[in-house]
Amino acid sequence: GAVVSQHPSRVICKSGTSVKIECRSLDFQATTMFWYRQFPKQSLMLMATSNEGSKATYEQGVEKDKFLINHASLTLSTLTVTSAHPEDSSFYICSAREERGLYGYTFGSGTRLTVV
Amino acid sequence: AQKVTQAQTEISVVEKEDVTLDCVYETRDTTYYLFWYKQPPSGELVFLIRRNSFDEQNEISGRYSWNFQKSTSSFNFTITASQVVDSAVYFCALGGFSGTYKYIFGTGTRLKVLA
Repeated sequence: GAVVSQHPSRVICKSGTSVKIECRSLDFQATTMFWYRQFPKQSLMLMATSNEGSKATYEQGVEKDKFLINHASLTLSTLTVTSAHPEDSSFYICSAREERGLYGYTFGSGTRLTVV
Repeated sequence: AQKVTQAQTEISVVEKEDVTLDCVYETRDTTYYLFWYKQPPSGELVFLIRRNSFDEQNEISGRYSWNFQKSTSSFNFTITASQVVDSAVYFCALGGFSGTYKYIFGTGTRLKVLA
């Protein structure tokens, strides 16, 4: 089945540094990937839609310069949290759309980011 | 606008009891998909089911069953003979609306199954 690998699973960084999170589709090509953010005990909020070879589409209220998304190949999308601050601490999850039309239901295992 | 409502924030049941998790959605689209996901304490999202808007047939998979009622915009999820391993947060999601591949998640229902 469709597998999405997300790394790292946990990361702790100092305030002001940048952190990169990778999302890879292992056994299928994904023209579209999605990045979600989940605060503790809350729902998942879509941050942006990542399209291979083009700019990401950000949801309203998401800072493009803070959350840089690069979808350089059909199997890899990266989310870089730039100049991280404690309020960026959260659980980030990616999802990749599997081309057979299953509407991107395959999710990565998530990355728990803690900014200290 | 699209919206998913899971009114039950938290449910506690004793093992072997049946439990139903409610999901009500709003959309103006005629074509859309509904999903249920399980999020155990480890955090990953586990896909449970996808249902398209044209298929109102109820589905059963082992101890899980889903009741899709388009007339009431509901897509409820029932676990029969619950087990401790069912303890998790369950999310209902709406997707594929307006030709997009976006999801809108409900706020989730935390299910605690007590031994």
